[in-house]
Amino acid sequence: NAGVMQNPRHLVRRRGQEARLRCSPMKGHSHVYWYRQLPEEGLKFMVYLQKENIIDESGMPKERFSAEFPKEGPSILRIQQVVRGDSAAYFCASSHPSGNYEQYFGPGTRLTVT
Amino acid sequence: AQKVTQAQTEISVVEKEDVTLDCVYETRDTTYYLFWYKQPPSGELVFLIRRNSFDEQNEISGRYSWNFQKSTSSFNFTITASQVVDSAVYFCALNFGNEKLTFGTGTRLTIIP
Repeated sequence: NAGVMQNPRHLVRRRGQEARLRCSPMKGHSHVYWYRQLPEEGLKFMVYLQKENIIDESGMPKERFSAEFPKEGPSILRIQQVVRGDSAAYFCASSHPSGNYEQYFGPGTRLTVT
Repeated sequence: AQKVTQAQTEISVVEKEDVTLDCVYETRDTTYYLFWYKQPPSGELVFLIRRNSFDEQNEISGRYSWNFQKSTSSFNFTITASQVVDSAVYFCALNFGNEKLTFGTGTRLTIIP
C-alpha cells in the first residue's frame, strides 16, 4: 500500500529556469494539498486541489506558481523563472474523500535554486 | 482566523525522561480538528494523531499520549521514557475538515543518550 509519492526528491535549478514537482496521492485519495517549508521554518499551505479543480489557492504566490491535478496522472506544482527565495522543501499531502480529514504527507521535494 | 502556537522552540532531555510538548490554538469555530506530526532528521512528515473538537478524551498510544483541553485551547503531547529515536521536530496543526492545515512553528526535541 504505497504512500504519497513525490518526485524528484531533490531538484537543482538555476535562476530563471522552471521547476516541476510531481505528487501521486495515496490510493483512493482524491484530495491533494501542497505545502512549502522554508529552511528552519514551519510548513505553509499553498494550494488545495481535487481532480481537475483548484479548491483553495489562497497560499499560492500570485506570480510564477501554478498547480494542477488532472483527471489522469499526478498533481503538478510548477514554478516558472525560479529565484533563490524559492529554495525550500515542497511537501504534498493527500486525504481520502470519506471525511476522516487525515492528511498524509509525501517525502517532499527539496528545491535548490543556484 | 486560526492560529497554532508552539512556544517551545527547542527542548533537550536525557534519554528515559518524560517530556511534554505544548500546543495552544486559536479558533472561533466550534468544529475543528487537531493534529500532531513528527519530522525526523530524514525530513519526511509522519502523521501521529488527529482529534476532533467534540472528543476531549485523552489518548494513549504506547509511549505517546495526548491531552486535549478545550477550556485552555491546548492539545499537548507527552512522550514517556523518551528514546533517541524520538529526536525530531514535532508540529501541531489545526484545520476544519477538508481544508488546509495551519501549522505551529514546531518544537525541536533532542534526546540525549
